[in-house]
Amino acid sequence: GESVGLHLPTLSVQEGDNSIINCAYSNSASDYFIWYKQESGKGPQFIIDIRSNMDKRQGQRVTVLLNKTVKHLSLQIAATQPGDSAVYFCAENSGGGSYIPTFGRGTSLIVHP
Amino acid sequence: DAGVIQSPRHEVTEMGQEVTLRCKPISGHNSLFWYRQTMMRGLELLIYFNNNVPIDDSGMPEDRFSAKMPNASFSTLKIQPSEPRDSAVYFCASSPLQGDRVFFGPGTRLTVL
Repeated sequence: GESVGLHLPTLSVQEGDNSIINCAYSNSASDYFIWYKQESGKGPQFIIDIRSNMDKRQGQRVTVLLNKTVKHLSLQIAATQPGDSAVYFCAENSGGGSYIPTFGRGTSLIVHP
Repeated sequence: DAGVIQSPRHEVTEMGQEVTLRCKPISGHNSLFWYRQTMMRGLELLIYFNNNVPIDDSGMPEDRFSAKMPNASFSTLKIQPSEPRDSAVYFCASSPLQGDRVFFGPGTRLTVL
């Protein structure tokens, strides 16, 4: 029979555009959130993190927004470049003695030159 | 820092053979994770060690899988006997503190024929 693979949400953008990748998390007790970037053939790499006492954090060309009310996290990438093409994962740490980061399913970002 | 080191990078074996994957975490990191990534199931946590002690192995698929961490600088993941459905990319990751961000290795791509 046909196997069903993990169909990743995909975001296609033009080089130079701003990208927004969204993530819904499940545990209202989560207190630490991390975005990772995974390029083809490599392991996930840390991009930016945010703790639950903040609602926004900025890095170089990236901004993470946290909305605890609706349990939503977003990653904004300014002036997207072809090198930003990758799969992006959000991860949450639920705290309360649990130190295992739980990863979302990932979003594939494709940047067209 | 060399980052998390994994070996081998690629492994091709036949069904029924024993497979051993190796990991050297980043020096000074207290937590170590083994993850498996497939198209079907995404990124799954297999087992988590803290200070060389297994804390959570609920993600280990079955008794064919075992993991050890004999010291702070070395861990192994063993599959015996291996099966075709074990084919995946296996990532080792480490973290300086419980609950902190996780640093991934480059992964071992395992193919079981």
